[in-house]
Amino acid sequence: DGGITQSPKYLFRKEGQNVTLSCEQNLNHDAMYWYRQDPGQGLRLIYYSQIVNDFQKGDIAEGYSVSREKKESFPLTVTSAQKNPTAFYLCASSQPGLATPTGELFFGEGSRLTVL
Amino acid sequence: EDKVVQSPLSLVVHEGDTVTLNCSYEVTNFRSLLWYKQEKKAPTFLFMLTSSGIEKKSGRLSSILDKKELFSILNITATQTGDSAIYLCAGTASKLTFGTGTRLQVTL
Repeated sequence: DGGITQSPKYLFRKEGQNVTLSCEQNLNHDAMYWYRQDPGQGLRLIYYSQIVNDFQKGDIAEGYSVSREKKESFPLTVTSAQKNPTAFYLCASSQPGLATPTGELFFGEGSRLTVL
Repeated sequence: EDKVVQSPLSLVVHEGDTVTLNCSYEVTNFRSLLWYKQEKKAPTFLFMLTSSGIEKKSGRLSSILDKKELFSILNITATQTGDSAIYLCAGTASKLTFGTGTRLQVTL
């Protein structure tokens, strides 16, 4: 079945450690996104990529980094520079079209990161 | 900066009630508005609205967009406990901007 796979589902880390969250899609979508979700704040865009080897900062990119070396993969690294990394992270992909530049987003199941 | 505001933030209703969820947006170069339902983890797609005044329906759910007033509503009739979720709306331009969501709880 086509879809988006995020791993790990739950992750605990000590303060000051970098962590990398995996996101893989087999939908053949060009665009991929990373969102952060905190209680009462909805989804906030961290980074997005519309094509392989290219990505743009979203609204809250500080303390995060990404890469897009393959169409199906868009890993997110939460660095020690991120001041409040404990959150629920959602990866999504879409196939942009002419009428809808972003297209409908398909989401993964999310990764919950807790920094101790 | 693009902004999407949803109201109410949370809502508790009895099974069988009808609810209306609101979404207002200020999105530069707006192209469409999307509604999602998030029950536990992954949001699932409900509607994409691009044209003003045309209602989209799916079972007991319906939604409409007003591009003049920069507003959309999501209606759920004859609510069921399975409708309990967070409902998210997002305005799209070159990227999506999400609102904070409305948490709906349907009780027996």
